[in-house]
Amino acid sequence: GDSVTQMEGPVTLSEEAFLTINCTYTATGYPSLFWYVQYPGEGLQLLLKATKADDKGSNKGFEATYRKETTSFHLEKGSVQVSDSAVYFCALILKIIFGKGTRLHILP
Amino acid sequence: DGGITQSPKYLFRKEGQNVTLSCEQNLNHDAMYWYRQDPGQGLRLIYYSQIVNDFQKGDIAEGYSVSREKKESFPLTVTSAQKNPTAFYLCASLGWDRGPYGYTFGSGTRLTVV
Repeated sequence: GDSVTQMEGPVTLSEEAFLTINCTYTATGYPSLFWYVQYPGEGLQLLLKATKADDKGSNKGFEATYRKETTSFHLEKGSVQVSDSAVYFCALILKIIFGKGTRLHILP
Repeated sequence: DGGITQSPKYLFRKEGQNVTLSCEQNLNHDAMYWYRQDPGQGLRLIYYSQIVNDFQKGDIAEGYSVSREKKESFPLTVTSAQKNPTAFYLCASLGWDRGPYGYTFGSGTRLTVV
């Protein structure tokens, strides 16, 4: 069945470090892919999306490229800040599938 | 601005009571969803509705009920049959006009059984 697998957290980095959070998917058909961010006590906010192969979604310094050949949508940021500390969810939209979320801690 | 409004933000329930969580959207989205989030956990789908007057059970529907009488509204009732209702509840809607925009989420309702 359709599924999303993302790296388990928590991920702990120092400020200004390079971030990668891996996400791979399995889907029948052609899904759209999303990254959501959840700050403490809040709902989820759409961070970026890509709707077809080789599309790159980007927002707030975060990027992810839809790689159909590797069925991946890894989230990257070149220099993280303390304010990026949150839980990040990779999502596939065909049948409402979310990964379990990856908690990210940024140390000042 | 369009969005989703969940209310109340915090809700306390006594054992054996039914409570209803409100979710209203003005995005003109057809599809709406309820998720449950437990501490340190991902999201689990409770119910979803893709059109007015129709809804489907998600993965953990037992002890919950919903209605979808209007496009804008998708209230969730947590019944006394739900054995462990303390959690953070998120409502979402989905728009597909000219491609998927992704989910829009409300800010959540934190339900605590006292």
